[in-house]
Order: sequence, then C-alpha cells, then structure tokens
Amino acid sequence: EPEVTQTPSHQVTQMGQEVILRCVPISNHLYFYWYRQILGQKVEFLVSFYNNEISEKSEIFDDQFSVERPDGSNFTLKIRSTKLEDSAMYFCASSELSKAFRQFFGPGTRLTVL
Amino acid sequence: SQKIEQNSEALNIQEGKTATLTCNYTNYSPAYLQWYRQDPGRGPVFLLLIRENEKEKRKERLKVTFDTTLKQSLFHITASQPADSATYLCAPGHTGTASKLTFGTGTRLQVTL
Repeated sequence: EPEVTQTPSHQVTQMGQEVILRCVPISNHLYFYWYRQILGQKVEFLVSFYNNEISEKSEIFDDQFSVERPDGSNFTLKIRSTKLEDSAMYFCASSELSKAFRQFFGPGTRLTVL
Repeated sequence: SQKIEQNSEALNIQEGKTATLTCNYTNYSPAYLQWYRQDPGRGPVFLLLIRENEKEKRKERLKVTFDTTLKQSLFHITASQPADSATYLCAPGHTGTASKLTFGTGTRLQVTL
C-alpha cells in the first residue's frame, strides 16, 4: 500500500528558531493536511491544503505557521519562531478526494522545542 | 459547540472476547463517521467509514454501527487478539465542504492473554 513519508522523524530546536517539517504525500492524492498531537492529548487538525492553497485552518494555525507545496511531491509545514508549547508530534496526511474519504497519515515528526 | 466523547478510561479485555468501544457526539449531525487506530508514537491508521444511511458496516473482525438518533457509534472487535491493543479514535464527519478530521480523545484497548 502507498505511504505518506515525513522527515525528519525527530527535530530538536531552540525556542525562537524556525523549523520546516517535510512530507511527501501519496502521489495521486489531491488533499493534504497537517495535524499535531501534544503528548498525552488528542490529535488536532491544523490545516488543509488543496489546489495550491489553504482550504481550511484551525485556531492553532496562526501567523507563525505556514504551509507550502514547493514542487509536485513535497508538502511542508513551517513554524517561523518556535515556542515551547509547539513541542508535539506533527502528522502529515493526504486523501484522494475531499469529504468522506479516508486519510492516510505519515509516521510523524516529533518536534522538541527547548 | 461540537463535542466528541469517547471513553477515556482504558478498556481491558481478555483475548477472544468482543471489545465494544463507544463514540458519542453532540451539537452536530455528521453524514458519516470514521474510525482510526493509533499505536504509540505512530500516525492514525484508517479502519472503517460508515455513512448516515448505513446502520452497520463490517470488515473482517470489525463492526461499526451508526445511530444518528442516539448520536452514537459503536465499534466492535470480535475474537480480540493482543495485537488489537491500541488506541481507537472516532472522527465524525463535518457538514458542508470541510474535510478535516476532528478526533475524539480515543479509547485505549488492552487485550490480555
């Protein structure tokens, strides 16, 4: 079965630094997502992306966050100035179509902000 | 506001028994509902999707029901095995065009020998 891949698997950064998390969605998928999961808490939606633009974002996804699809395969999440509370597992997901379709999740990037 | 509730306490059952997990939602009427499995440190994995016009859906040892009157979905694993031990997440669909998944807190299932 095709897989979503994410790099790096673990990123450690200093507070205030910029980080870029990378994802390669499944090749024929059209919708892309970022979610995050703080340790011990539930998986939370951050942003959805379709046709080279954001289609929906949550309250968590403020001006410090941005997403980009720089080429035909990568999908990135940038956090401009990391805060301690950004420490979490970040999951990328993709789906073939939009509503009522299964989403395929990547293995996640564990972000630790010191 | 929309609320999704799953039993936050872990469910411990013996191998071979049927596990039943509950997902209740309030303040909205999803047209479909998805169930995912999450292992520690891993991303959620899709299991089943059930639509509002389907009362029940089955896949191998898994069965999901969807009662739109009670605003509840039940997730059953029959003949449970230790390998079924994981956290199970429900995600009722959103109305309109939103495709995001909003997960419940999940129920951790532990199957013992």
